[in-house]
Amino acid sequence: GAGVSQSPRYKVAKRGQDVALRCDPISGHVSLFWYQQALGQGPEFLTYFQNEAQLDKSGLPSDRFFAERPEGSVSTLKIQRTQQEDSAVYLCASRRTSGVLEDTQYFGPGTRLTVL
Amino acid sequence: AQSVAQPEDQVNVAEGNPLTVKCTYSVSGNPYLFWYVQYPNRGLQFLLKYITGDNLVKGSYGFEAEFNKSQTSFHLKKPSALVSDSALYFCAVRDVAGGSYIPTFGRGTSLIVHP
Repeated sequence: GAGVSQSPRYKVAKRGQDVALRCDPISGHVSLFWYQQALGQGPEFLTYFQNEAQLDKSGLPSDRFFAERPEGSVSTLKIQRTQQEDSAVYLCASRRTSGVLEDTQYFGPGTRLTVL
Repeated sequence: AQSVAQPEDQVNVAEGNPLTVKCTYSVSGNPYLFWYVQYPNRGLQFLLKYITGDNLVKGSYGFEAEFNKSQTSFHLKKPSALVSDSALYFCAVRDVAGGSYIPTFGRGTSLIVHP
């Protein structure tokens, strides 16, 4: 596709519900990142995929957060038993290459999650 | 370790005047530096980056940034601000020599351009 897309754009969940957030990266991009952006803050790293392999999940705040990218393209971020502190914008970004070499991340529009 | 600081929460400037949004960084090696802009209810849009070479980097929408190694700064600039430049601006750094592939973002600076 032309850019990174995310769905849904907005999600309201009751505390304790499970949610699933989807990211469609730019076609052919190897790297995929998930970020959490709290109100008034910059994006905070959650997890990183290189193709289908989850190479870094050090930013996931708890074991309620789970991400997958089974075929190396679309990724899903799942949050189980949502809590109010999970309310944030979840951003997905993709990059053409992997590793440390220079390349630009391209961001999707984000999913705004509100937990009541 | 890598970190970035945006010392101003908000910058106000009159339309037509030059603007500067400040960013300082800390890395153990050589930095890759980025500026992104975020409009309301939108994701981050890439503006420009410094990898190596010329310290003055030109990017989208007339923005430019100057890499200053001695001051560890990467300030974003534009000679003449537009009302449509009003948005949230994020600086990011990646410590390539340290093997980092994950950028660290600043807290953001809200730019308000007054007509």
